[in-house]
Amino acid sequence: AQSVTQLDSQVPVFEEAPVELRCNYSSSVSVYLFWYVQYPNQGLQLLLKYLSGSTLVESINGFEAEFNKSQTSFHLRKPSVHISDTAEYFCAGQLGNAGNMLTFGGGTRLMVKP
Amino acid sequence: DTGVSQDPRHKITKRGQNVTFRCDPISEHNRLYWYRQTLGQGPEFLTYFQNEAQLEKSRLLSDRFSAERPKGSFSTLEIQRTEQGDSAMYLCASSSTPNGYTFGSGTRLTVV
Repeated sequence: AQSVTQLDSQVPVFEEAPVELRCNYSSSVSVYLFWYVQYPNQGLQLLLKYLSGSTLVESINGFEAEFNKSQTSFHLRKPSVHISDTAEYFCAGQLGNAGNMLTFGGGTRLMVKP
Repeated sequence: DTGVSQDPRHKITKRGQNVTFRCDPISEHNRLYWYRQTLGQGPEFLTYFQNEAQLEKSRLLSDRFSAERPKGSFSTLEIQRTEQGDSAMYLCASSSTPNGYTFGSGTRLTVV
């Protein structure tokens, strides 16, 4: 079955430290991959996406993710986090023959401490 | 355009009652999706419309759930005979391309 797995349910980190949120997908065919951020009691906001082309994609607020086909991964990284980055992060994919639906991982709660 | 709008933001209902949620997509988007998100989990796909046609439905969409998009614009999601397990955030999204989702803020349903 096609799936998206986020390996860490919570990631605590100190402000200004680097962070990596891990995401792996399972699909034998083409994929489109996304990272979304969700603040409390709000909907999902698109952070960045990989559709094709360069395997390194960046967001406007300093996050980046790299599509790695051999590792079937799409990890999210930021070199220096801020308190305001505290939120839930979801990795999602449009996987192979699943049509237009997004398959989401279980989410990773990023907790930035002062 | 203010994005995808969902109404109401919160709904508390007694078990066994019917509820209906509304989603207004971005006006030029012909694709509309419903997802359900339970506490501590990622969203799960429920159903997808292209214009007024409902093209995909998840197995999660039991007989008590029905979704419509009568004129290819707004959509409604109705849950009949609500159960406590229906308590969740119901998210709507729209897009004009297969991979350009915009999500609404969601409707949080609590069944007591």
